[in-house]
Amino acid sequence: NAGVTQTPKFQVLKTGQSMTLQCAQDMNHEYMSWYRQDPGMGLRLIHYSVGAGITDQGEVPNGYNVSRSTTEDFPLRLLSAAPSQTSVYFCASSSGRQNTEAFFGQGTRLTVV
Amino acid sequence: AQSVTQPDIHITVSEGASLELRCNYSYGATPYLFWYVQSPGQGLQLLLKYFSGDTLVQGIKGFEAEFKRSQSSFNLRKPSVHWSDAAEYFCAVESGGGADGLTFGKGTHLIIQP
Repeated sequence: NAGVTQTPKFQVLKTGQSMTLQCAQDMNHEYMSWYRQDPGMGLRLIHYSVGAGITDQGEVPNGYNVSRSTTEDFPLRLLSAAPSQTSVYFCASSSGRQNTEAFFGQGTRLTVV
Repeated sequence: AQSVTQPDIHITVSEGASLELRCNYSYGATPYLFWYVQSPGQGLQLLLKYFSGDTLVQGIKGFEAEFKRSQSSFNLRKPSVHWSDAAEYFCAVESGGGADGLTFGKGTHLIIQP
């Protein structure tokens, strides 16, 4: 039972490069979301999706794009990486039913130099 | 907008002593509340959750939390800490169903003294 899988686990980018952080879940969850974690800031919501074809912005969406073409996958794209995007990124999914919790991936540690 | 405050950035506790980590939330309706733990370099592990009903909830690893609506609080407790409890602890709130994600506190770093 894989749960929520994030790839890669670690990545170093140069300023201006683009990349996609992958997130896949095998629990048939409708809701998926991306967070970034920075020291002293907790986790902050970047983008979220309530189902295939539907996405919306969270607290800190600037510099990131998402799409949700399938229920299973929710990739996060950095079009032009900046040092301010150095962070640990977590993907989460939940069923959307009442009284259920979100499940988190193991995170992607991204460094932009 | 909902928000979560964890007033203590760092807490130091002696091994075997009791622990209480504070969490205050701001939310218009009945919140769904969570405590997560993160060990260094690791992901998030759910300790416990409150959706409704009994205001004292039991979690894993001997943790419990009490929901107090009048104080807008959801404090985490453990009667006797172990060195392995040293970690970062996050309180979080969400609306019912979690459609628009979780709002996290900034975390409390727990240090265990031998």
